[in-house]
Amino acid sequence: AQSVTQLGSHVSVSEGALVLLRCNYSSSVPPYLFWYVQYPNQGLQLLLKYTSAATLVKGINGFEAEFKKSETSFHLTKPSAHMSDAAEYFCAVSAAGQNFVFGPGTRLSVLP
Amino acid sequence: DSGVTQTPKHLITATGQRVTLRCSPRSGDLSVYWYQQSLDQGLQFLIQYYNGEERAKGNILERFSAQQFPDLHSELNLSSLELGDSALYFCASSGSPSSYNSPLHFGNGTRLTVT
Repeated sequence: AQSVTQLGSHVSVSEGALVLLRCNYSSSVPPYLFWYVQYPNQGLQLLLKYTSAATLVKGINGFEAEFKKSETSFHLTKPSAHMSDAAEYFCAVSAAGQNFVFGPGTRLSVLP
Repeated sequence: DSGVTQTPKHLITATGQRVTLRCSPRSGDLSVYWYQQSLDQGLQFLIQYYNGEERAKGNILERFSAQQFPDLHSELNLSSLELGDSALYFCASSGSPSSYNSPLHFGNGTRLTVT
């Protein structure tokens, strides 16, 4: 069985500051990992995905995430936060023969 | 725009009633997934269909049922509604029968309010 934890249900950063959203996973088989973003009143939108190629994955809107097997982590980062980044972010894990499992989400607030 | 269409956007109904939520997947996608999102439960997987056949079942109540039609659109039927069924219901689609390496594409959801 797989599981995902996201440390911090709510993260606040100042505009221009580094964004770091944490994701740790548990999987008994090699995982595929995804970050999704949800803006208010919208569905989830794919930010980026790790599918066993490069461990540093670049996504849309300047976000990137690094797969660290030894730490079972897939943290999401962005060097400089923008007001438009305020949203809910979900980490998800999948694996061969398994369906997606989503984390509980982290709400990102960006302060002016 | 994800290409996944959900109708209606909002639904308000009373306890004990039955509603049907509709989803049209992205063009070419054969898999449809249903998720329920609520404040206390987060994003919960309900059920998956692939090319008309049920593929996987998650935390779907017996009062809920779904189907996928030959034109690949899907419907989620919720019956004997309770206050606790109030939530956002999302449909997602993907091209592969097993989603593990293929991202899901989400619709904008149907917000169900049970009064």
